Amino acid sequence: EVQLVESGGGLVQPGGSLRLSCAASGFTFSRYWMSWVRQAPGKRLEWVANIKHDGSDKYYVDSVKGRFTISRDNAKNSLFLQMKSLRAEDTAVYYCARGFIFRDESGYEYYFDYWGQGTLVTVSS
Amino acid sequence: SYELTQPPSVSVSPGQTARITCSGNALPKKCAYWYQQKSGQAPVLVIYEDSKRPSGIPERFSGSSSGTMATLTISGAQVEDEADYYCYSTDSSGNLEFGGGTKLTVL
Repeated sequence: EVQLVESGGGLVQPGGSLRLSCAASGFTFSRYWMSWVRQAPGKRLEWVANIKHDGSDKYYVDSVKGRFTISRDNAKNSLFLQMKSLRAEDTAVYYCARGFIFRDESGYEYYFDYWGQGTLVTVSS
Repeated sequence: SYELTQPPSVSVSPGQTARITCSGNALPKKCAYWYQQKSGQAPVLVIYEDSKRPSGIPERFSGSSSGTMATLTISGAQVEDEADYYCYSTDSSGNLEFGGGTKLTVL
């Protein structure tokens, strides 16, 4: 059974930093792309970042570029999100999700097939 | 950026068919995916690649896509299907987007 368990959320002041972790089990972690997706209170889901199975490629939504860093440790089946210069608008539940990618005639398709339960990040003074 | 548009809410009686739509300019060439999110819970994939159903998802859930619109259909909706439903897709520029979500009420 695929399991994704996030941790590391909490209350942080604007401008502060936080590191989220996601422990994966039930599948061969090193073979999959992984992602972070967030959801602000009462808002839609928003993709945040992707990382290739071997860590060689990383992608970010424009609003977090230069502030957030996605990384992984395949030996420990773990995914991370280092967040710095946090803003009030970063307040959200952050979900770890397993990615599935395949090529199609117009490029590639990428979607999230399993999700963790999420960890809440609150940015407030 | 790329936008996916969903109706804010859909309401049906138990046993009726619920249809939730999602419109997006890239849908003629890109797949649509649907996620169910019950209150306080993580999203669950219920339809992938327009019309495929993951194992464990009831057969009453189906998906289709034509032109710029994708549709999630719940045939014989049940009270336990009450949730927010999000469509998701990508575009040729690599944007990964979710729709605004549709609150399904079954009562």
